[in-house]
Amino acid sequence: AQSVTQLGSHVSVSEGALVLLRCNYSSSVPPYLFWYVQYPNQGLQLLLKYTTGATLVKGINGFEAEFKKSETSFHLTKPSAHMSDAAEYFCAVTYPTAGNQFYFGTGTSLTVIP
Amino acid sequence: DTGVSQNPRHKITKRGQNVTFRCDPISEHNRLYWYRQTLGQGPEFLTYFQNEAQLEKSRLLSDRFSAERPKGSFSTLEIQRTEQGDSAMYLCASSLGQRGAEQFFGPGTRLTVL
Repeated sequence: AQSVTQLGSHVSVSEGALVLLRCNYSSSVPPYLFWYVQYPNQGLQLLLKYTTGATLVKGINGFEAEFKKSETSFHLTKPSAHMSDAAEYFCAVTYPTAGNQFYFGTGTSLTVIP
Repeated sequence: DTGVSQNPRHKITKRGQNVTFRCDPISEHNRLYWYRQTLGQGPEFLTYFQNEAQLEKSRLLSDRFSAERPKGSFSTLEIQRTEQGDSAMYLCASSLGQRGAEQFFGPGTRLTVL
């Protein structure tokens, strides 16, 4: 069965520090991978996605992620955290045969400490 | 276009009552999805439409849940005989039809069943 695992339900970083949010998927079928951010009482907003091509993808707000097939991972990073980055982050995966149905991880809540 | 909209934003109902939620997708998107999100979890796929055809509904939580998209534009999600366990955020998303297309999410409808 397809699944997505986000290690660390809560991550705290200091303002200006590196942000690293982890995502691993389990499937033998090549996936399409996404990171979404959710602010309180708002819908999910796409940060970035990987479908094909370059494995390092850049998204909005300075975030980027690298698809590593050998590690079945798609970790999200940002070199320098900003207070406005505090939110819930979700990794999602879909597959060519899945009708674009998304499978989401359980989310990681990011706290930025001033 | 203002994005995906959902109405109502909040619904409080008594156990046993029926509720209906509406989703208006981005106008050029032919795919529409419904998800449920409970506290501390990622969105859970329920069903999706391509135009007016419901292509996947096996993930609907029970036969009390049904969805329609009669003219291929807006969609409704109905829950009959609500139970306290139905309390959650119900999210709608839309996308174009190609593989790997990102989904655009609405703000959600928060259901509270008393």
